[in-house]
Amino acid sequence: QKEVEQNSGPLSVPEGAIASLNCTYSDRGSQSFFWYRQYSGKSPELIMSIYSNGDKEDGRFTAQLNKASQYVSLLIRDSQPSDSATYLCAAPGAGGTSYGKLTFGQGTILTVHP
Amino acid sequence: DGGITQSPKYLFRKEGQNVTLSCEQNLNHDAMYWYRQDPGQGLRLIYYSQIVNDFQKGDIAEGYSVSREKKESFPLTVTSAQKNPTAFYLCASSIGIGGGAAYEQFFGPGTRLTVL
Repeated sequence: QKEVEQNSGPLSVPEGAIASLNCTYSDRGSQSFFWYRQYSGKSPELIMSIYSNGDKEDGRFTAQLNKASQYVSLLIRDSQPSDSATYLCAAPGAGGTSYGKLTFGQGTILTVHP
Repeated sequence: DGGITQSPKYLFRKEGQNVTLSCEQNLNHDAMYWYRQDPGQGLRLIYYSQIVNDFQKGDIAEGYSVSREKKESFPLTVTSAQKNPTAFYLCASSIGIGGGAAYEQFFGPGTRLTVL
């Protein structure tokens, strides 16, 4: 099992809709989770960090963390064409050889069509 | 402006040559990382360093080497031993060990390496 897995996508939503991106992780000791957005040809940009169970909202973005089920999601409300990008989920290891590193999922390509 | 710079943006290498990719940060971060991204793929960790004069191999270190002589700088050398070096190389930094926000990694703009 991969350490961090994302729904395979690609995901296509109409403008104004809610885009839902999901990520599961295997290390129960992980405490911090991150969502990055990567536009085509560019480097990843950190858009959300979440550390505790529940929801965290920032503008049109909401990150949701459920440690018992080992999943983290990202909701984008009122999706815009400018949200079209690849979204990467990342989590650190809990310790040992993984300490200090992030493991990234494969990414989900989101397309928002007008 | 605080940030991470990488140079060059594009790099062309002939087979059999070593090349060095530059990464500099002025964020006062302790930890620095090098990733490789292939088309349609996720990020794969090459090397990382949590403190000056120390670094660890990541998942795909073979054919690469690094140094960390200064806190601000973490250059990556792609050696001739790396069989498929054509890729997008990303440097990142974070506050370092500590958990929570210390794990947040911030990326430079990347270097595209092409082997001719």
